[in-house]
Amino acid sequence: NAGVTQTPKFQVLKTGQSMTLQCAQDMNHEYMSWYRQDPGMGLRLIHYSVGAGITDQGEVPNGYNVSRSTTEDFPLRLLSAAPSQTSVYFCASSKGKAQYFGPGTRLTVL
Amino acid sequence: DAKTTQPPSMDCAEGRAANLPCNHSTISGNEYVYWYRQIHSQGPQYIIHGLKNNETNEMASLIITEDRKSSTLILPHATLRDTAVYYCIVGYGAGNMLTFGGGTRLMVKP
Repeated sequence: NAGVTQTPKFQVLKTGQSMTLQCAQDMNHEYMSWYRQDPGMGLRLIHYSVGAGITDQGEVPNGYNVSRSTTEDFPLRLLSAAPSQTSVYFCASSKGKAQYFGPGTRLTVL
Repeated sequence: DAKTTQPPSMDCAEGRAANLPCNHSTISGNEYVYWYRQIHSQGPQYIIHGLKNNETNEMASLIITEDRKSSTLILPHATLRDTAVYYCIVGYGAGNMLTFGGGTRLMVKP
């Protein structure tokens, strides 16, 4: 199993641009989530999904959209990038109690 | 979700046991205690979780006090590769959406 994969690994955007961060898992996990981690800080939950077709907001959802059309994929869309969204983004999936995290996407918004 | 309090940093000698404390005085009856760690800038890694009883796996042991207001993660023989930020989190099992705090930065020294 590849586990949780994220693409791209690095991305630089200009203010106002939009983009989609990809996340996929091959473990048939029901639950998936997106976190962001700012320098020197813990992770903060952006959006999560408890199954295909079901999503909900986390702690910091503003400026982000998600959808869950399949069990495997959970893309995160930045609608209009802002410098405040410069961060490392982690995707995670889980079926039982443990969450499995991807390697992260480092996003810089200029 | 209940909040946790952890010391910001700790040192441990290589080969010795590392004991990482966590206070969670507002934990509710159905909330689990989870431990994750983050090595450098990688995605967080699940270590262990528990509800009431002490737990042990191949990575660590988790000791939860009888009143459940605090817990200790024990790495029995710390190695340099255990240098990381360790997060103690409390939360419900369903959906598994967790709130990460600041964690404890463990430095294992030769």
